[in-house]
Amino acid sequence: QQQVKQSPQSLIVQKGGIPIINCAYENTAFDYFPWYQQFPGKGPALLIAIRPDVSEKKEGRFTISFNKSAKQFSLHIMDSQPGDSATYFCAASKSGNTPLVFGKGTRLSVIA
Amino acid sequence: KAGVTQTPRYLIKTRGQQVTLSCSPISGHRSVSWYQQTPGQGLQFLFEYFSETQRNKGNFPGRFSGRQFSNSRSEMNVSTLELGDSALYLCASSPGGTAGTQYFGPGTRLLVL
Repeated sequence: QQQVKQSPQSLIVQKGGIPIINCAYENTAFDYFPWYQQFPGKGPALLIAIRPDVSEKKEGRFTISFNKSAKQFSLHIMDSQPGDSATYFCAASKSGNTPLVFGKGTRLSVIA
Repeated sequence: KAGVTQTPRYLIKTRGQQVTLSCSPISGHRSVSWYQQTPGQGLQFLFEYFSETQRNKGNFPGRFSGRQFSNSRSEMNVSTLELGDSALYLCASSPGGTAGTQYFGPGTRLLVL
């Protein structure tokens, strides 16, 4: 049973566009929702994370929107650049030292 | 601080063999988690060690095992390799537990022939 569903699988946007990646979760006990960015040949790196007490968090060009009632959260990348081309993973976990559950990833390509 | 390091970076084995992968966490981090990454299944949690004790375990067969040493370095072992074990194995460390920022290493790419 996949606990975190991520969409789309792949995404192509023009430079300057705003790609949006969506994730939905099932376990209402989840209370930590990070996004990771992975470049080829590298391990995932934490991009931004949110907890359910806020509906939006922004760090630079990256914004997480969180909808607790719908059990959904999304990543927006403002003014996307070719250097943002990577695979993005959403994840979720609950407090108490439980493992992260990852979505299956979205391969983003930003074309100039 | 140096990041998470994993050795070796690449490995080719044949079916039936066993393999040991190594992970050195960021200095001061006591938690080490292992993940298997494949194109079809994405990132799947294998297990987590904290202060030399396995604290969490994913849904993998007993052929997958691990351990952590007193200096927080960790190893994972896969016995009786199968073709389906071909994957990128990622190690992640964190200061405390898994419910927080995890810092990933570059991974070990294992190919089973």
